Amino acid sequence: GAVVSQHPSWVICKSGTSVKIECRSLDFQATTMFWYRQFPKQSLMLMATSNEGSKATYEQGVEKDKFLINHASLTLSTLTVTSAHPEDSSFYICSVRGDRDRTYEQYFGPGTRLTVT
Amino acid sequence: QKEVEQDPGPLSVPEGAIVSLNCTYSNSAFQYFMWYRQYSRKGPELLMYTYSSGNKEDGRFTAQVDKSSKYISLFIRDSQPSDSATYLCAMSGNQFYFGTGTSLTVIP
Repeated sequence: GAVVSQHPSWVICKSGTSVKIECRSLDFQATTMFWYRQFPKQSLMLMATSNEGSKATYEQGVEKDKFLINHASLTLSTLTVTSAHPEDSSFYICSVRGDRDRTYEQYFGPGTRLTVT
Repeated sequence: QKEVEQDPGPLSVPEGAIVSLNCTYSNSAFQYFMWYRQYSRKGPELLMYTYSSGNKEDGRFTAQVDKSSKYISLFIRDSQPSDSATYLCAMSGNQFYFGTGTSLTVIP
């Protein structure tokens, strides 16, 4: 499977500021990455699909101007939470889709815990 | 109707018990069926995947898919305290769909 890292693992920010979360695929080139949000004791909620070199595809109800996604290279995608508010506090997880004949698989990063005060 | 239904539990069993985790789904186009394990405050990790109906065994874990009933299961034999986690089922065709996860606690 793929090795995926996220940075930072935990961030606390003040309301109104912006926060950038990085997702890196360490051992293969990922053309597709996914961003999820997970609230306590709830399942993963897909926010957007990030495709290298093109605009991200956002799920219904996710504000694209608030959650900016940049997939500038085959190994890095970033999620920027702009003008963060306390209700944005959550666990953000990225994943990469397997390549070649393993496109049915997803490999997840360790997650980033965002706390907005 | 949700694409994937999974009982959130929580499920609590004594060490050594056999655990059965289940999901149902509605989309007959799903081709791949996965089980992920997620420890608290960690990202999910892929446990097993199956394609089409049938059983697949890996150590103490057995994944079962019944496409005719749109029902998948994960069995854990000789459960250990280290198996305590949330287990998510997932399915894919063109898109991925996750269950809500079942919280499992194995009591020593």
